[in-house]
Amino acid sequence: EAQLVESGGGLVKPGESLRLSCAASGFSFRSVWMTWVRQAPGKGPEWVGHIKSKAYGETIEYAAPVKGRFTISRDDSKDTLFLQMNSLKIEDTGVYYCTTDKPYTAGGVITLWGQGTLVTVSS
Amino acid sequence: DIQMTQSPSSVSASVGDRVTITCQASQDIRKYLNWYQQKPGKAPKLLIYEASNLETGVPSRFSGSGSGTDFTFTINNLLPEDIATYYCQEYDNLPSVTFGGGTKVEIK
Repeated sequence: EAQLVESGGGLVKPGESLRLSCAASGFSFRSVWMTWVRQAPGKGPEWVGHIKSKAYGETIEYAAPVKGRFTISRDDSKDTLFLQMNSLKIEDTGVYYCTTDKPYTAGGVITLWGQGTLVTVSS
Repeated sequence: DIQMTQSPSSVSASVGDRVTITCQASQDIRKYLNWYQQKPGKAPKLLIYEASNLETGVPSRFSGSGSGTDFTFTINNLLPEDIATYYCQEYDNLPSVTFGGGTKVEIK
């Protein structure tokens, strides 16, 4: 069964850093494009960024609010996705999900979500 | 950026009722619209993709329609287990996607 498990969330102060991990299992991780989605308390989900597979050059794109502060990477040898978050702001608070799309589609149809990891940025 | 406006923000209905939620895009997104169900403490779950396609394993009481800027999501014969928040999500400008603000469905 395909599964994603996030870890690394926690309570940090504004300006601090945090690194999230997402362990994948049950599918060919190296073949898929991966996306981070976050959800602030009481709000709808928000796209954070995306990394393509190695076959597509591991191209990465970020949402405007996190560009320059967040870095997405992947280690296909360990079936793991990462999100390095620097210069954290209060508005970065929320549950962070790693996700991937419905197979054999062009993207944007999210069928696999992790359980989420909570990031709280507070002074 | 594409904005997605969902309405209503909450709805209270009786078991067996039909519930309708609308989602309006700020620009033409063709048919690239999904609907998700989210229960408290859980990740969203895909119900409908490409505006009207029922995801495998999802009960047929859920349906979607629309194209362009205006979309509708319907739950026929509301059941207690349908209590959740529902989100629309566009994917016309990949890789970024945009979600609506959500509609909370409650039992009257």
